Amino acid sequence: QKEVEQDPGPLSVPEGAIVSLNCTYSNSAFQYFMWYRQYSRKGPELLMYTYSSGNKEDGRFTAQVDKSSKYISLFIRDSQPSDSATYLCAIASGGYQKVTFGTGTKLQVIP
Amino acid sequence: DGGITQSPKYLFRKEGQNVTLSCEQNLNHDAMYWYRQDPGQGLRLIYYSQIVNDFQKGDIAEGYSVSREKKESFPLTVTSAQKNPTAFYLCASSMRQGRMNTEAFFGQGTRLTVV
Repeated sequence: QKEVEQDPGPLSVPEGAIVSLNCTYSNSAFQYFMWYRQYSRKGPELLMYTYSSGNKEDGRFTAQVDKSSKYISLFIRDSQPSDSATYLCAIASGGYQKVTFGTGTKLQVIP
Repeated sequence: DGGITQSPKYLFRKEGQNVTLSCEQNLNHDAMYWYRQDPGQGLRLIYYSQIVNDFQKGDIAEGYSVSREKKESFPLTVTSAQKNPTAFYLCASSMRQGRMNTEAFFGQGTRLTVV
């Protein structure tokens, strides 16, 4: 079993839709949760990070962590064509040295 | 502007050659990392360094070497021992707070192709 599982997609949604991106993880020692956005042929860009269970909101983006289920989500409200990218979850235990990335979900928002 | 600069953006290597990928950061970050990205496999850690003159192997270090002579620089050499070097290489850095490193910021990547 992989430490982090992420559906690779692709996921196609119409403009304005709410998008839900998800990852599951197996190691309960993970305590630091991140979401990155990566445009084609570019480096990943940090979107959000959180330490704790619950929700964290930043504009149209909401990160949700459920440690009891080992499940994290990223919600995008009012999705735009510019949101079309690959979204990577990243999960770390203490000290950051061991960061495990999901394989990424490719999202396409259709105008 | 603060950031991480990787060069070159595209690199072509002949069989049996060593090549070096450059990574420079002016964020005053302590930790630096090299990742390899292949389609369908996510990011895999090659090497990381927490301080100058010290570095550790990641999950796929075979065929690669690094140095950390300066805080702002962490070059990666892809040696001829790396049998499948064609990939997208990403450098990242992060700040240390106490015993924990904060979230990583990435460069724009170097695409290496063996010809």
